[in-house]
Amino acid sequence: DAGVIQSPRHEVTEMGQEVTLRCKPISGHNSLFWYRQTMMRGLELLIYFNNNVPIDDSGMPEDRFSAKMPNASFSTLKIQPSEPRDSAVYFCASSLYSASTDTQYFGPGTRLTVL
Amino acid sequence: GESVGLHLPTLSVQEGDNSIINCAYSNSASDYFIWYKQESGKGPQFIIDIRSNMDKRQGQRVTVLLNKTVKHLSLQIAATQPGDSAVYFCAENINQGGKLIFGQGTELSVKP
Repeated sequence: DAGVIQSPRHEVTEMGQEVTLRCKPISGHNSLFWYRQTMMRGLELLIYFNNNVPIDDSGMPEDRFSAKMPNASFSTLKIQPSEPRDSAVYFCASSLYSASTDTQYFGPGTRLTVL
Repeated sequence: GESVGLHLPTLSVQEGDNSIINCAYSNSASDYFIWYKQESGKGPQFIIDIRSNMDKRQGQRVTVLLNKTVKHLSLQIAATQPGDSAVYFCAENINQGGKLIFGQGTELSVKP
């Protein structure tokens, strides 16, 4: 199994630019999660999907952030326009279902630097 | 300007010793708890979990203890090895769905 795949692994951009992060969940998994990790705030859930439908987006910082899941094998997290404070590592995770006891498997992350 | 980051708690142990990593969780209604290991440059990796109707669960070289009275979780690693060096996070499930709340993490350093 390839695990959760994220791209790009590293992204450096300038303030004001649009950034799109991509995620391919584990095949057969029905739930997908986007997290952000910073030293100041730790690991925070931004949004999660169940069967391609957003279930909880209360962690999305503001309107500059948007996430989509057009099909079961692909999701994007977009930041537009990006700001230096968005610099962080963004992780995608997937689980078989969204039940509380389903293990979430994390991808390797995308390290975003906004100059 | 650049913000100052939090300094993670650090536990330093000798190879072969046992390690105990502690975590206080926030919500008495949480019913499921997980420990994750994160190595440098990688995503968090599942280690072991425990449901709120249990107070102890054992895996291979790892044991998780849950004390609901004081909302405390611990991870015990037996015969710690250099490969165990990583940041360890506890997480709680707070609303019966998939939403996990992560702790700040503890950095484990194993000296050979």
